[in-house]
Amino acid sequence: EADIYQTPRYLVIGTGKKITLECSQTMGHDKMYWYQQDPGMELHLIHYSYGVNSTEKGDLSSESTVSRIRTEHFPLTLESARPSHTSQYLCASSGNVNTEAFFGQGTRLTVV
Amino acid sequence: GENVEQHPSTLSVQEGDSAVIKCTYSDSASNYFPWYKQELGKGPQLIIDIRSNVGEKKDQRIAVTLNKTAKHFSLHITETQPEDSAVYFCAANAGGTSYGKLTFGQGTILTVHP
Repeated sequence: EADIYQTPRYLVIGTGKKITLECSQTMGHDKMYWYQQDPGMELHLIHYSYGVNSTEKGDLSSESTVSRIRTEHFPLTLESARPSHTSQYLCASSGNVNTEAFFGQGTRLTVV
Repeated sequence: GENVEQHPSTLSVQEGDSAVIKCTYSDSASNYFPWYKQELGKGPQLIIDIRSNVGEKKDQRIAVTLNKTAKHFSLHITETQPEDSAVYFCAANAGGTSYGKLTFGQGTILTVHP
């Protein structure tokens, strides 16, 4: 079982609200990632980080932002949620050498 | 960028039969090809992976084959069981970058009937 945790698991929030999705890992991994998974199932990389103070945008454009102040923590923030942000957000991490990526359980976000 | 195509989108088999899922990729620099299983309400879990210097890898009932020349790789599950029912994703690390910076296929819903 991977030691990567996401909170909350489910979130229903009104349009215009600011939200932060939390992701933490206890494996000491340098690399962390955020993927967005729509109901059509495919996962798309939206953000990644190769270490503290390092963040990059992924292949899919996203209005969310991320920060990496601590190795174990990689939160994702939406400043003003919209219904188009409704999706599942999955956090993952991988080790410094080429090792597999472990995924969290995901946060299912619904913006009404 | 990398593009990964996965087929079929749904697959229904009887318990004990074999299941095969196929993927193609476009970036010849990709060198890592994992397969993830995702059960309802859970995050994807790695079930097997293969690196570009290997043509085939097996782990009990699961095997993966890779054809670098043709840019395709396949997942083979033998003696399927109802607990194998889930969504399966193939992926590739675009540009040969880190093993977590992945481009995923569209997913295959596998149903194993008892």
